[in-house]
Amino acid sequence: GESVGLHLPTLSVQEGDNSIINCAYSNSASDYFIWYKQESGKGPQFIIDIRSNMDKRQGQRVTVLLNKTVKHLSLQIAATQPGDSAVYFCAENTYSGGGADGLTFGKGTHLIIQP
Amino acid sequence: ETGVTQSPTHLIKTRGQQVTLRCSSQSGHNTVSWYQQALGQGPQFIFQYYREEENGRGNFPPRFSGLQFPNYSSELNVNALELDDSALYLCASSSPLSRSTDTQYFGPGTRLTVL
Repeated sequence: GESVGLHLPTLSVQEGDNSIINCAYSNSASDYFIWYKQESGKGPQFIIDIRSNMDKRQGQRVTVLLNKTVKHLSLQIAATQPGDSAVYFCAENTYSGGGADGLTFGKGTHLIIQP
Repeated sequence: ETGVTQSPTHLIKTRGQQVTLRCSSQSGHNTVSWYQQALGQGPQFIFQYYREEENGRGNFPPRFSGLQFPNYSSELNVNALELDDSALYLCASSSPLSRSTDTQYFGPGTRLTVL
């Protein structure tokens, strides 16, 4: 199975509301996490990252929360706008001691903005 | 825009053929990773190149191979194409501070269709 997954395939929110996208991971050795946004026909776009020695990190209109106890990650988007419509992926980076393991992605959550 | 470019944008091949995809990394980045993204799925790590050598590999067969050049650009080669190779192929560049904190920036991808 996948190491990283998201709880909901689709999330629909009203424009102007806050959005919360969740992610569960299973590898307790993971020490770096990234949220990506992918619009249709484009590559994933970096949004925000967090290291395992942090619980919270804020960016412009976005906040990432990390709960290592329950291996849960969330992305909060404030005042959601139509341009936020996309598929959101969380990804984890784990170094196993050999070569690079790459980023492990979940299947994604499709955020739909209702007018 | 990340500064990572990929070519071609789209490609159609038939089963059994060979294909080469190209990637130019973002200025200042010395590491290139390749991912395969099937429709509706998250990207899957193929391999990573650093200093012109393969630095790590995911669960892909040997018919997936690559190169990295002195200017850090990279190629992905796939031999004996199969129908299941139809996907979006993504290149990501980075200059990781450590093996486990690899912030990767993605290009727009190459859409490969195998008939």
